[in-house]
Amino acid sequence: GQSLEQPSEVTAVEGAIVQINCTYQTSGFYGLSWYQQHDGGAPTFLSYNALDGLEETGRFSSFLSRSDSYGYLLLQELQMKDSASYFCAVSRRGRDDKIIFGKGTRLHILP
Amino acid sequence: KAGVTQTPRYLIKTRGQQVTLSCSPISGHRSVSWYQQTPGQGLQFLFEYFSETQRNKGNFPGRFSGRQFSNSRSEMNVSTLELGDSALYLCASSLGDGTDYEQYFGPGTRLTVT
Repeated sequence: GQSLEQPSEVTAVEGAIVQINCTYQTSGFYGLSWYQQHDGGAPTFLSYNALDGLEETGRFSSFLSRSDSYGYLLLQELQMKDSASYFCAVSRRGRDDKIIFGKGTRLHILP
Repeated sequence: KAGVTQTPRYLIKTRGQQVTLSCSPISGHRSVSWYQQTPGQGLQFLFEYFSETQRNKGNFPGRFSGRQFSNSRSEMNVSTLELGDSALYLCASSLGDGTDYEQYFGPGTRLTVT
């Protein structure tokens, strides 16, 4: 079977750092993406990892360990506008190649 | 470049009716995917179309169908609506060249079935 696990909610303080974890179990794994969705908005693409290691894009970084079937999104210098839901998504290749999304992590930021 | 557009934005239908949703992808994008989003369930993949052909399909009943036109615009149809079909339906487009991990989402159509 295939599954993605991420925490349903995470709370952090403005200015701090937060890490959102994602573990996956799937065949034909190709890469891991992260999306952000604000309330009432559409998901927007944040990052993609196909190889092991850390990818940095401004205040956001994403990490992948293929051997551990694990990745995380790291948000630094948290701002109130970062309050949103964050989804990890697995890209697959093979007979059934499509993108599978996790159920999302709601990030609450306290002032 | 204009983003992904979806029409209508809101719909209220009655059980048993059918509905058609429309999606216009970003110019130059050939792949269109549809997702159903409900609270607590994340985004569930419905199907993907590329060059007018269904390339992938999720685990939804046959009441859910779609198509893509030669200009890459796509429609999704749900027949014999059930209360559980109430959801936000999102359309996403991508180039379709192997970079499909980067999808561009439309604002969605909020469907309410009563």
